[in-house]
Amino acid sequence: DTEVTQTPKHLVMGMTNKKSLKCEQHMGHRAMYWYKQKAKKPPELMFVYSYEKLSINESVPSRFSPECPNSSLLNLHLHALQPEDSALYLCASSQGGTGREKLFFGSGTQLSVL
Amino acid sequence: QKEVEQNSGPLSVPEGAIASLNCTYSDRVSQSFFWYRQYSGKSPELIMSIYSNGDKEDGRFTAQLNKASQYVSLLIRDSQPSDSATYLCAVNMWATGTASKLTFGTGTRLQVTL
Repeated sequence: DTEVTQTPKHLVMGMTNKKSLKCEQHMGHRAMYWYKQKAKKPPELMFVYSYEKLSINESVPSRFSPECPNSSLLNLHLHALQPEDSALYLCASSQGGTGREKLFFGSGTQLSVL
Repeated sequence: QKEVEQNSGPLSVPEGAIASLNCTYSDRVSQSFFWYRQYSGKSPELIMSIYSNGDKEDGRFTAQLNKASQYVSLLIRDSQPSDSATYLCAVNMWATGTASKLTFGTGTRLQVTL
């Protein structure tokens, strides 16, 4: 089982809303990731959690706030987003521990900010 | 210079032919290399990984790595219309660590024609 589950699949929000994206994996992976992908562009790394600790923050604006409640769950809290934040948000997980492992992606959340 | 470079295509090949996709990368300490397939509106799907110089075959797919030339390629034999997608080259830019920092190329769009 290489499944990473993301909810919701689609989200429309206003610039004053607060919403959260959720990601779950049950593969025993210890590294989890958030990527952002704009149309016809490659995925761009936002955050990396390794063993439930934030390892990488790629200078992401503070209106994006990640959270890793446990080794299976990853959230991305959204607040005061801008229309240019509209994109496909991808969660991924990997085994962790070596820096060489394979990443498996969820199906993504298509976010539209109005 | 971009960190991971791919020809954006489209690369058009007839059904049954060999498709050859190329990728160059800038970081000499990179140790892990991946090919992902992404259909329009879907998330990236891992199809090949390669860590050592030479060839690695999996079914109709062959990945080739030349670290001296900083070059990685993907060959798809007996191309099928279902192979039509964008192929993303991804390079792990971390030499050490407990998670992977994948940097993606812009992707090559492959079209397999009947």
